[in-house]
Amino acid sequence: EPEVTQTPSHQVTQMGQEVILRCVPISNHLYFYWYRQILGQKVEFLVSFYNNEISEKSEIFDDQFSVERPDGSNFTLKIRSTKLEDSAMYFCASSGKMNTEAFFGQGTRLTVV
Amino acid sequence: KQEVTQIPAALSVPEGENLVLNCSFTDSAIYNLQWFRQDPGKGLTSLLLIQSSQREQTSGRLNASLDKSSGRSTLYIAASQPGDSATYLCAVTGTDKLIFGTGTRLQVFP
Repeated sequence: EPEVTQTPSHQVTQMGQEVILRCVPISNHLYFYWYRQILGQKVEFLVSFYNNEISEKSEIFDDQFSVERPDGSNFTLKIRSTKLEDSAMYFCASSGKMNTEAFFGQGTRLTVV
Repeated sequence: KQEVTQIPAALSVPEGENLVLNCSFTDSAIYNLQWFRQDPGKGLTSLLLIQSSQREQTSGRLNASLDKSSGRSTLYIAASQPGDSATYLCAVTGTDKLIFGTGTRLQVFP
């Protein structure tokens, strides 16, 4: 069964460092998303991406964040200068059409120290 | 602004019980509603998707209903098993993003 895969599963980084979280969405999907979940809190929307551009972003997704689809399979989230409060589980998701069932990866646990 | 609430926050039941998890949302202008399961420290597994035009959806022992006008959905789990222990999240789709509830943490004990 097709699935969304994310790497790495766990990343520890020092405050101020850049991190890139990687995702391989389901191959025939066209809509891609990043969400995050701070420990003990709700899953929050970060950004949606379609046709090689951002379609919507939340207030959390400030200038420190960027997304890219560098080739036909990968979808990345970059945090330029990490802060302690960026520590969270980051989930990538994809869907075949807008507003249809979204499939999530297993997440990357980011710990900023 | 859409707000999604789930009650109860936690539930502990003996194996074999039928149970109902509740989800409510403040803005009825949704495209669909999705129920997920999350195991500790793990990703989100999609359980059921109900389109806004549908009233219910079934998958095995799970049945989800949707009353869009009143802003409510329920997830019914029949004959619960210890393997059902997890956090259950509901999420509504507005403008191409999911808005999640706080979840119900379910424990089913033998």
